[in-house]
Amino acid sequence: EAQVTQNPRYLITVTGKKLTVTCSQNMNHEYMSWYRQDPGLGLRQIYYSMNVEVTDKGDVPEGYKVSRKEKRNFPLILESPSPNQTSLYFCASSSGTGHMNTEAFFGQGTRLTVV
Amino acid sequence: DQQVKQNSPSLSVQEGRISILNCDYTNSMFDYFLWYKKYPAEGPTFLISISSIKDKNEDGRFTVFLNKSAKHLSLHIVPSQPGDSAVYFCAAKRYDMRFGAGTRLTVKP
Repeated sequence: EAQVTQNPRYLITVTGKKLTVTCSQNMNHEYMSWYRQDPGLGLRQIYYSMNVEVTDKGDVPEGYKVSRKEKRNFPLILESPSPNQTSLYFCASSSGTGHMNTEAFFGQGTRLTVV
Repeated sequence: DQQVKQNSPSLSVQEGRISILNCDYTNSMFDYFLWYKKYPAEGPTFLISISSIKDKNEDGRFTVFLNKSAKHLSLHIVPSQPGDSAVYFCAAKRYDMRFGAGTRLTVKP
């Protein structure tokens, strides 16, 4: 079954404690991205990757890091989480960019609370 | 700077009637537009899309209209069903995807 898998689904952590949210897709997609969803703001892009070892900032990259060492995995790293990073996070992947347009497949989401 | 805007945070319609969800965008470089549907505790799922070279795309009860000169697209659901109750996100894409804030649709039996 084609899917995007995020872990964990729920996480409560304390300010400053480094954490990683994993994302894996089994569709051999080149393009992967991370979004955060906040009330009234919709889905805002944090980082995206067009292929292995190619990553770029989205609209709200501050406080986040990513890596793309393998095609299937795109972890989101919070080196020093702060309460304003409390949000619902989604990973997405798609097979095309630019004129090779296809829809994105989303993971189930990770609800992060930073206290 | 929000490049994709959904100005109606919520919409309520009666079962069987038409639902019209609206979306505006500012970047004329977008060349592909999509609608996603999201239920609570789930990730968004793709619903329907339209290329910038078209002005209409239909899939069953769902139709998306694109007005490039007005930088406006809309999603029509006819007839609306209670199972359509969800949050709908409009998205626009060239090399990466930008989303609107979403519209919560409630279809009342």
